[in-house]
Amino acid sequence: ILNVEQSPQSLHVQEGDSTNFTCSFPSSNFYALHWYRWETAKSPEALFVMTLNGDEKKKGRISATLNTKEGYSYLYIKGSQPEDSATYLCAPKSGGSYIPTFGRGTSLIVHP
Amino acid sequence: ETGVTQTPRHLVMGMTNKKSLKCEQHLGHNAMYWYKQSAKKPLELMFVYNFKEQTENNSVPSRFSPECPNSSHLFLHLHTLQPEDSALYLCASSQSSGVASYEQYFGPGTRLTVT
Repeated sequence: ILNVEQSPQSLHVQEGDSTNFTCSFPSSNFYALHWYRWETAKSPEALFVMTLNGDEKKKGRISATLNTKEGYSYLYIKGSQPEDSATYLCAPKSGGSYIPTFGRGTSLIVHP
Repeated sequence: ETGVTQTPRHLVMGMTNKKSLKCEQHLGHNAMYWYKQSAKKPLELMFVYNFKEQTENNSVPSRFSPECPNSSHLFLHLHTLQPEDSALYLCASSQSSGVASYEQYFGPGTRLTVT
């Protein structure tokens, strides 16, 4: 079983704050990493698919970076809004597995 | 309908019942997945089908039996379940599975309670 760690487990911020979370994974035999956003009572929604070391992806106020050599990815949210409140999941494909393994997620709550 | 749909959305069943969960995707994808989300645990992959062929069985007990009659439909047949099988069961699809990395599209899930 792939060891995927996400930190922090939960995060409370005020509207307008910028924040970031970490996803750590085995760096050997890396194929790709997925980030998903999971809002309460909805389905997980894909944010990014990242494959190359040094990749940076951006969607609106959300961006992500990838370091495959050291086995981590950062997700950044600039100027958090209440609608950003959700659980953010990372799912790397590495360690020889072709199947993404999900972390436990970071639960973000943005207070107005 | 669009995207990935799942029925039923909620299911309560006894340990001796037999029931089935249904998933349908309208995205033209070739890979479909079953996941289990138990309380306080990460999403756990159960099965993967790629072009109707099962490519992954993540050591799932035989009381869970998947069926993929075509690339658009996926079933999970349930029989003699245990209370610890109570969880949210999510279906997902992607363009294909394997080395290539395609994002997965998830259905709304079936909340299963085993009494």
